[in-house]
Amino acid sequence: GENVEQHPSTLSVQEGDSAVIKCTYSDSASNYFPWYKQELGKRPQLIIDIRSNVGEKKDQRIAVTLNKTAKHFSLHITETQPEDSAVYFCAASRGNQGGKLIFGQGTELSVKP
Amino acid sequence: KAGVTQTPRYLIKTRGQQVTLSCSPISGHRSVSWYQQTPGQGLQFLFEYFSETQRNKGNFPGRFSGRQFSNSRSEMNVSTLELGDSALYLCASSTQWGAADEQFFGPGTRLTVL
Repeated sequence: GENVEQHPSTLSVQEGDSAVIKCTYSDSASNYFPWYKQELGKRPQLIIDIRSNVGEKKDQRIAVTLNKTAKHFSLHITETQPEDSAVYFCAASRGNQGGKLIFGQGTELSVKP
Repeated sequence: KAGVTQTPRYLIKTRGQQVTLSCSPISGHRSVSWYQQTPGQGLQFLFEYFSETQRNKGNFPGRFSGRQFSNSRSEMNVSTLELGDSALYLCASSTQWGAADEQFFGPGTRLTVL
């Protein structure tokens, strides 16, 4: 069935370091891969997304890479700041078949000042 | 534009009761999806509605149902509540169905079943 594996489940870094979160998906028909950030007690918010016709996308300190052959995609955060501390979720969907998102289990990122 | 809103924000029910949760999407958004969030299972897809029709369904029992109205507002209903139904229920809206667009989440309804 459809599944998204996300690693690591927790990640602690020093301010200014980089953080990398990795996801693997099982449904080869997936073609849309968003990343959401959820702060404690708040709603998930999209931080970046990538479509299957693109290998990499960057937005300031955040980048996402996609390897369709290996069914892997990763989130890279550079120059981390304490306000980056949150739970990050990757997700996959068959975008052209609706909005059903299959989420990974989440990564709790802690950035220590 | 106002964001996605959900009512009520908190709800306490007892086992066996039923509950109805409401979601108002962003103005102009026509697709609404529902998710259940728990510490153990994470975020799980419940169902998706577009143009008042259910377009996708997750792996939840028939006690979970939903509907969408002509103004795109959506409701979900859970009948015969079980302790395991305690969760944060999130709805998300997007502009269209099948366009791989960003989904905007509401603040959620925290359901506690005693």
